[in-house]
Amino acid sequence: DQQVKQNSPSLSVQEGRISILNCDYTNSMFDYFLWYKKYPAEGPTFLISISSIKDKNEDGRFTVFLNKSAKHLSLHIVPSQPGDSAVYFCAASLDSSYKLIFGSGTRLLVRP
Amino acid sequence: SAVISQKPSRDICQRGTSLTIQCQVDSQVTMMFWYRQQPGQSLTLIATANQGSEATYESGFVIDKFPISRPNLTFSTLTVSNMSPEDSSIYLCSVVGGGVTQYFGPGTRLTVL
Repeated sequence: DQQVKQNSPSLSVQEGRISILNCDYTNSMFDYFLWYKKYPAEGPTFLISISSIKDKNEDGRFTVFLNKSAKHLSLHIVPSQPGDSAVYFCAASLDSSYKLIFGSGTRLLVRP
Repeated sequence: SAVISQKPSRDICQRGTSLTIQCQVDSQVTMMFWYRQQPGQSLTLIATANQGSEATYESGFVIDKFPISRPNLTFSTLTVSNMSPEDSSIYLCSVVGGGVTQYFGPGTRLTVL
């Protein structure tokens, strides 16, 4: 039973446009959500997070939106750059515990 | 964020053998974690390594298969024992940063023939 789902395995976007990566979850008790970026042969790099008491968090080109009623979060990257090409994972935490539950990832390709 | 290194970065091993993966952090941390990423899959938590006590394993993972050591606050090892091709994965260690945020090492890519 996948509690965190990323239904799009891949996404291709033109440089300069917006990239929107989506994530759905099933457990309404998740209280913290995180996005990680992973390049080949490297470990995941933390990007941005959001608490369940908020609906938006912004950090530079990255914005995460949380829709609790829909159990859905999304990561917006504006403008997209070729260096953003990587696999993006969303993750969720329960009761602010250190156990992170990851989605299966979305591979983003930003075309020059 | 902490700087985390892992050794080896990759290895190719024969079925039935064991491999020990090392994780070194540049600062003292209370909790360290070991994850596995099977090909094309998500990251799955194997266990939490606490200094001075036994590791806490997640469902589906057992100490006999994945023994963990945590001799001090900057170092941990994960051993993958009696390996089979199904153990071919990327193994990652992580530490807690601020809040629930975790920072990951570069990973160890293991291939079992």
